[in-house]
Amino acid sequence: QVQMQESGPGLVKPSETLSLTCTVSGYSVSSGYYWGWIRQSPEKGLEWIATVYHSGNTYYNPSLKSRVTISVDTSKNQFSLNLSSVTAADTAVYYCARSFGSFHAFDIWGQGTSVTVSS
Amino acid sequence: QSALTQPASVSGSPGQSITISCTGSSSDVGTYNLVSWYQQHPGKAPKLMVSEVTKRPSGVSNRFSGSKSGNTASLTISGLQAEDEADYYCCSYAGSSPYVFGSGTKVTVL
Repeated sequence: QVQMQESGPGLVKPSETLSLTCTVSGYSVSSGYYWGWIRQSPEKGLEWIATVYHSGNTYYNPSLKSRVTISVDTSKNQFSLNLSSVTAADTAVYYCARSFGSFHAFDIWGQGTSVTVSS
Repeated sequence: QSALTQPASVSGSPGQSITISCTGSSSDVGTYNLVSWYQQHPGKAPKLMVSEVTKRPSGVSNRFSGSKSGNTASLTISGLQAEDEADYYCCSYAGSSPYVFGSGTKVTVL
């Protein structure tokens, strides 16, 4: 049974970089599928951030692309998100999720991690 | 890319059928058959209920069905049950801005 778990700081200061990691269990990220990050806030609702394939191919939300980096570490069976120059608008619950195609639905989600941007 | 438009709320009595609409444009829903629906209970992660307009993942009740006509996709819940009370979101592939989500619909079981 595939499970996904986000980890990272719950509080980040403005202008700093938010770094999150998703640890996958029950499936090898190098075996296929696409791995993504989605966030949810009361103001913006659900917002897709980025997706990575095990080969390293990446796909980014154009509105966030200049600040986002997504990567996969097959040796640790993890993938990560870096979001730079954060502001209060980046405060949200961040989810990692699996997709069976580059722009297909996300069929398995982590439980989510709440991130607040504040000094 | 604008969010897909959903009604803020839909309600129904147990056993009834309800339909949630998701209106986009020819840039997303109208062109691509990559519309999905998610159910979200309070404090929980979204759960995939329908993918590619009509496909139900293994384990999802057949009371949930998806369809599409023009720029509008729909999720129908038949035989409404108390456990169906949740927020529902649609999502579509949108080309240059790959994923666009709907604004969400709160389903209330009366």
